[in-house]
Amino acid sequence: AQSVTQLGSHVSVSEGALVLLRCNYSSSVPPYLFWYVQYPNQGLQLLLKYTTGATLVKGINGFEAEFKKSETSFHLTKPSAHMSDAAEYFCAVSEGGGYQKVTFGIGTKLQVIP
Amino acid sequence: NAGVTQTPKFRILKIGQSMTLQCTQDMNHNYMYWYRQDPGMGLKLIYYSVGAGITDKGEVPNGYNVSRSTTEDFPLRLELAAPSQTSVYFCASSSTSGGNTGELFFGEGSRLTVL
Repeated sequence: AQSVTQLGSHVSVSEGALVLLRCNYSSSVPPYLFWYVQYPNQGLQLLLKYTTGATLVKGINGFEAEFKKSETSFHLTKPSAHMSDAAEYFCAVSEGGGYQKVTFGIGTKLQVIP
Repeated sequence: NAGVTQTPKFRILKIGQSMTLQCTQDMNHNYMYWYRQDPGMGLKLIYYSVGAGITDKGEVPNGYNVSRSTTEDFPLRLELAAPSQTSVYFCASSSTSGGNTGELFFGEGSRLTVL
């Protein structure tokens, strides 16, 4: 069975500081990994994804994540936080295949302090 | 391109009432899903469908029903609403093309309150 653990349900950073949101997963097969962002009162939108190939994945708005198989991690980073980054971020794992079951973490709310 | 469209965006129900949340997608995706989102709980899968006429239960199906008569539409019905169904509901879809990775496309959500 697949699972996702997001460490820290709330993270606060100062504007301009590094953003680091942690995600660890478990999967019985090589996983597909995703980060979604949810702005207040909106749906989730894809930030970035890892499927195969390069383990460092770049997404929208300057975010990136690195797939580390040995650590079963897919942490999300951004070098310099902007006020507009304040949102909730969800890590998700899928094993693909016929049903495409997707398991989500509980989410991390990012607060950016001016 | 509309993507995934959900209606209504907000609804207040009384205990015991019934209603249907509508979901339609225009991307010709085979797979469609209903999730509920509760604070601190992430997203939980209610029902999913792999194509017209085929539906199956997810993690939290009790109190809900779905149907899929067309590729585009996947309505979620709440029968005998209960306070525990107060939540934000998201419809999503995904494609079997492009590597079949499970990337989801979400609607904007339907916020339901049961009083």
